[in-house]
Amino acid sequence: NAGVMQNPRHLVRRRGQEARLRCSPMKGHSHVYWYRQLPEEGLKFMVYLQKENIIDESGMPKERFSAEFPKEGPSILRIQQVVRGDSAAYFCASGRGFQETQYFGPGTRLLVL
Amino acid sequence: GESVGLHLPTLSVQEGDNSIINCAYSNSASDYFIWYKQESGKGPQFIIDIRSNMDKRQGQRVTVLLNKTVKHLSLQIAATQPGDSAVYFCADPHGSSNTGKLIFGQGTTLQVKP
Repeated sequence: NAGVMQNPRHLVRRRGQEARLRCSPMKGHSHVYWYRQLPEEGLKFMVYLQKENIIDESGMPKERFSAEFPKEGPSILRIQQVVRGDSAAYFCASGRGFQETQYFGPGTRLLVL
Repeated sequence: GESVGLHLPTLSVQEGDNSIINCAYSNSASDYFIWYKQESGKGPQFIIDIRSNMDKRQGQRVTVLLNKTVKHLSLQIAATQPGDSAVYFCADPHGSSNTGKLIFGQGTTLQVKP
């Protein structure tokens, strides 16, 4: 029973490039949450999605960031024109339903040079 | 606004001793809390949860206590082992928008001395 999967585990980008982070939820989970963790800080909520719908994007920066969770395939967090301040660990969590326990993936560590 | 915070950034204990990690919350409407453990380089791992209709819940070597009067919860780890070394977060899945997003505290780093 595979857990939440994220890839890539490590991603290096130069300023101005695009970063695409993927998350495959646990089997049977249709709710996906993305969180960002800056060094030495706790996790901060970014966006909550269900299949084909964005439910809550209140934690997502208004520009350059977007997320999707298509009917088929993984959830994607996309960061356009990355800047050094985007360097962080990005975690995805999945759950069975609204306010159910969330299980986290191993994260993608983004480094912007 | 909502907030969840831990009392101590770092806790150092001797192997075999019991550990107590504390967390305070401000949202009176919060009725469900989760403790996560995050080891270096890994994602948060679910440890135990508790709902507001309970004061105490026990797992394997861990106990969570909830005091709704003072809006405080604690995680107790019995017979702490080196493998318990990690950052511990309490999280409130209800926040203020009822979408299930988790609001994390700053985390307490547990260091286990051999």
